[in-house]
Amino acid sequence: QQQVRQSPQSLTVWEGETAILNCSYENSAFDYFPWYQQFPGEGPALLISILSVSDKKEDGRFTIFFNKREKKLSLHIADSQPGDSATYFCAASVNYGNEKITFGAGTKLTIKP
Amino acid sequence: DAGVTQTPRHEVAEKGQTIILKCEPVSGHNDLFWYRQTKIQGLELLSYFRSKSLMEDGGAFKDRFKAEMLNSSFSTLKIQPTEPKDSAVYLCASSRDGYAEQFFGPGTRLTVL
Repeated sequence: QQQVRQSPQSLTVWEGETAILNCSYENSAFDYFPWYQQFPGEGPALLISILSVSDKKEDGRFTIFFNKREKKLSLHIADSQPGDSATYFCAASVNYGNEKITFGAGTKLTIKP
Repeated sequence: DAGVTQTPRHEVAEKGQTIILKCEPVSGHNDLFWYRQTKIQGLELLSYFRSKSLMEDGGAFKDRFKAEMLNSSFSTLKIQPTEPKDSAVYLCASSRDGYAEQFFGPGTRLTVL
């Protein structure tokens, strides 16, 4: 059972555009949603996270939009740069990460200069 | 501060061999995780230690996979005996408290022939 789904599997956008990565989940008890960024040959790195009590979280060019009713969230990368090319994982956990975290399959993002 | 260190970065083993992967967590972190990453299955939790106590043992990975935390700054993952299906990237991560805000190491790429 895939509890956290990501779409699209891969995404290509031009430099300067906004990249939008989607995530949906099934377990309504999930309340903590981190996004991890992974470059080839490296481990994932925490990029930004949101709690279910919020509907938006911003950190520089990265913004999470969260819709609790629809069990959906999205990561927006504004003014995307070639250095943002990486795989992005949406994840979810219950009890603010005190219980096992479930990762999505990832979205591979390519930014064309 | 030093991040999570994993050695070796690459390992090639013959089927049936025993291999040991090593991990040093971020200094001061209490929790340590071992994951397996493949294109098909994504990120799968193998083990979770809290203050050196095993909290999660990864269920399906019990029989040939054994993680140990010898002290607060060193952990090993033993795979015995290895099988070709074990070919994957093995990631170690640590955190101050629980599954939130994990810091991942660069991983060990294991190839079993």
